[in-house]
Amino acid sequence: AQSVTQLDSQVPVFEEAPVELRCNYSSSVSVYLFWYVQYPNQGLQLLLKYLSGSTLVESINGFEAEFNKSQTSFHLRKPSVHISDTAEYFCAVKRTGANNLFFGTGTRLTVIP
Amino acid sequence: DSGVTQTPKHLITATGQRVTLRCSPRSGDLSVYWYQQSLDQGLQFLIQYYNGEERAKGNILERFSAQQFPDLHSELNLSSLELGDSALYFCASSVAGQPSDTQYFGPGTRLTVL
Repeated sequence: AQSVTQLDSQVPVFEEAPVELRCNYSSSVSVYLFWYVQYPNQGLQLLLKYLSGSTLVESINGFEAEFNKSQTSFHLRKPSVHISDTAEYFCAVKRTGANNLFFGTGTRLTVIP
Repeated sequence: DSGVTQTPKHLITATGQRVTLRCSPRSGDLSVYWYQQSLDQGLQFLIQYYNGEERAKGNILERFSAQQFPDLHSELNLSSLELGDSALYFCASSVAGQPSDTQYFGPGTRLTVL
């Protein structure tokens, strides 16, 4: 079975500071990895995903995540955050032969002016 | 806007009642997924349909059922409602229901059971 651990339930950070949201997963088979963002009172939006190939994936708004197979991690990073990045971030994993996503418990990122 | 629509946005009902949540997938998407987001359980996969057929089942209670119609919209039926069923219910859709497909989420239906 798959599981996803997001150790930090809340991460406060000052505007323009860097941030890292941690995600670790466990699976005995190959997986696809995703980060979704949920803004207040909205649905989930895909931020980025790792399917195969380059272990570093980037989103259009400056976030990046690196797949580390040996550490079974997929941490999300941004070098300089904006107020508009305040949201809940969910890491998710999907077995390569399955369709359902397993989500972590989420990390609430709060950017402080 | 993901292109996935869900109605209603909010639903308040009483214990023991039955409700139906509706989802319209993005244009061209054949697969629909239902997820439940609650404070104690987090985000959980309930069920997936592909082109009208059930494709995968997750932690869906027997009191819950779903279907996908020929026009590809989907409905999630929740019956004999309990207080613990209060949650945000998301629908997502993808092109072909393949593991590598991106799932696009709707805005959700917030169900409150009193």
